[in-house]
Order: sequence, then structure tokens, then C-alpha cells
Amino acid sequence: QVQLVQSGAEVKKPGASVKVSCKASGYTFTNYYLHWVRQAPGQGLEWVGIINPTGGTTTYAQKFQGRVTMTRDTSTNTVYMELSSLRPDDTAIYYCVKDRSSISAGQWGLFDLWGQGTLVTVSS
Amino acid sequence: DIQMTQSPSSLSTSVGDRVTITCRASQGIANALAWYQQKPGTAPKLLVYAASRLESGVPSRFSGSGSGTVYTLTISSLQPEDFATYYCQQYYSYPYTFGQGTKLEIK
Repeated sequence: QVQLVQSGAEVKKPGASVKVSCKASGYTFTNYYLHWVRQAPGQGLEWVGIINPTGGTTTYAQKFQGRVTMTRDTSTNTVYMELSSLRPDDTAIYYCVKDRSSISAGQWGLFDLWGQGTLVTVSS
Repeated sequence: DIQMTQSPSSLSTSVGDRVTITCRASQGIANALAWYQQKPGTAPKLLVYAASRLESGVPSRFSGSGSGTVYTLTISSLQPEDFATYYCQQYYSYPYTFGQGTKLEIK
């Protein structure tokens, strides 16, 4: 079935980096953008950025520029999000999310399939 | 960045009630507006896109409307499974942004 399966929870110290993986299955990986969205405990949703699985091009929210790197591996249909210089306020569930529209169709930015989420805890 | 402001932030309601949630964008977003439902411990679920189009499988008691900078989500008759938090989201331009959420609670 169509699904996104993310890596497990992480606990990191301030200043460290974390790399979260997301494996896609059940659809053509290179046909749809993938996004990362995070949610701090008890808080709302925040878009982190987007990656084109075909060419690997990325766009990040300005807030995360310089700290986030999104990559993909087309041989395993997996995308990765690495966040560096972690701070306690980076503590959140990080979701990998598939775009509803194919790359060729346009009108991107709708999130129709979510991974199960990865809790990243930043604490000394 | 486009700011999305939802109101109310919470609502105490009863089964059978008609509920309307409003979302205001800080600039025009040309109907590039989606609504999501999130229940505790689960990922959000897409309900409405393009301001008024219902996602496949979403009950018809949900409807969206609006234009320009003001959009609404209406639930015509609340069901027990509708008690959740609702978020609006603009996908008009980067960075995609969400409202702060509206939590529907049982009265």
C-alpha cells in the first residue's frame, strides 16, 4: 500500500545534528515532491521544506536555511532530513509528507500522505 | 511570509451543532487554501483543498468556502468523531504556512 515509513525517535544534545529518514512505497517515488513538516509538543504545524526526488532540488523555509539539508536516494526510495546545531526548541515531531499533486501537474503544496512522525528531543 | 490567522482557537460544542471556523490570510492567496483535521497522536488528514473542494472520502457535512483573504470551514452537523483540531494552510507561496489551529471540544 501507499505509505511513508520514518525512522525512530531520537534524543540529541544541544548543538548536535539529527538525520531522519523516510522510505516511500506503493507509488512512483520520483513523480511527487516530498515535504518535511514539524510539530512541537502541543503546538501547531510548521513547514520545513521540500525536495524533488527526481533531481534532488530543494527549497527550505528561511527559518531553517543553513541548518537543514534534505537529500534523497532513488535506489531505495528514501528521503532524508538532517537538522544541525540543534536547540531545545527544535524538539518536535518531524513528519515526512507526500504532495498530493504530481510534479508534472502543478498546484503543489497539498499534503495527502503523512509518515508516522519521528519525535526528536533536544535536551542536555 | 503569509500569516494565517484562525478563529476561534477553541470551541466548546455539542453533537449535532453547526460549526464554522474562519481563517484569514495576511494577503490574497487565490483560493490556494486547505483544511486539515488532526486527532491526538495522529498525523493531520486533508479535508478540503482549493478552498472548497472536498478530498475523496471526506463526509459531505464538511464544506469550505471563501475567497481573497478570508476562508471558512463549516461542519453542518457535528458527529462524535469530528472532535479534533483543525488547521488551515496556504499553498499559494513558499513558505507554506498554517493557521494556529482550532480545537473542537465537547460541551
